Amino acid sequence: DQQVKQNSPSLSVQEGRISILNCDYTNSMFDYFLWYKKYPAEGPTFLISISSIKDKNEDGRFTVFLNKSAKHLSLHIVPSQPGDSAVYFCAASARYSGGGADGLTFGKGTHLIIQP
Amino acid sequence: EADIYQTPRYLVIGTGKKITLECSQTMGHDKMYWYQQDPGMELHLIHYSYGVNSTEKGDLSSESTVSRIRTEHFPLTLESARPSHTSQYLCASMGRAKTGELFFGEGSRLTVL
Repeated sequence: DQQVKQNSPSLSVQEGRISILNCDYTNSMFDYFLWYKKYPAEGPTFLISISSIKDKNEDGRFTVFLNKSAKHLSLHIVPSQPGDSAVYFCAASARYSGGGADGLTFGKGTHLIIQP
Repeated sequence: EADIYQTPRYLVIGTGKKITLECSQTMGHDKMYWYQQDPGMELHLIHYSYGVNSTEKGDLSSESTVSRIRTEHFPLTLESARPSHTSQYLCASMGRAKTGELFFGEGSRLTVL
């Protein structure tokens, strides 16, 4: 059973517009959430994270929103740039709650395509 | 910037061969991980280690084995490769920060013919 779900395999957005990537989770023990960006043939790189005690975290063009009651988080990229074209993975951990194994649980990823 | 390295980046081998994927990090991290990823799929944890002489199997069953003789080195071995082992293998380490952030290597793409 998938504990972290990214239901959109791909998303196409025009350059300069807002990209919104969504992620849902089922494990209520998750207390830390991260977004990773991955280019083909490379390893994932950390983008932004949010603790379960917050509902928003912003870093430049990237903002992550967390809705704990809905078990939903989203990544907003504004404005979208061609270099943002990549696969974005949502990940979660139960780092402080003690539930689940160590490491991160990943979603299947969303392929973001920024069109000129 | 993370310093974690994987070799080889790409490997094409025949069925039945023994292969070792190397992973090294220079950050002094105790915790290291191996993930397996197929295109369009999530990263699956196959092995992890909390330190020297510590190895555990992850959520996804794998025929591979790992060892952790030195803190900086976490190699993964397949004794007899099969086409079903074709995948991308990603090594990662975790720092001591409370964020739980993983630092990934560039990955090893294995193709077994």
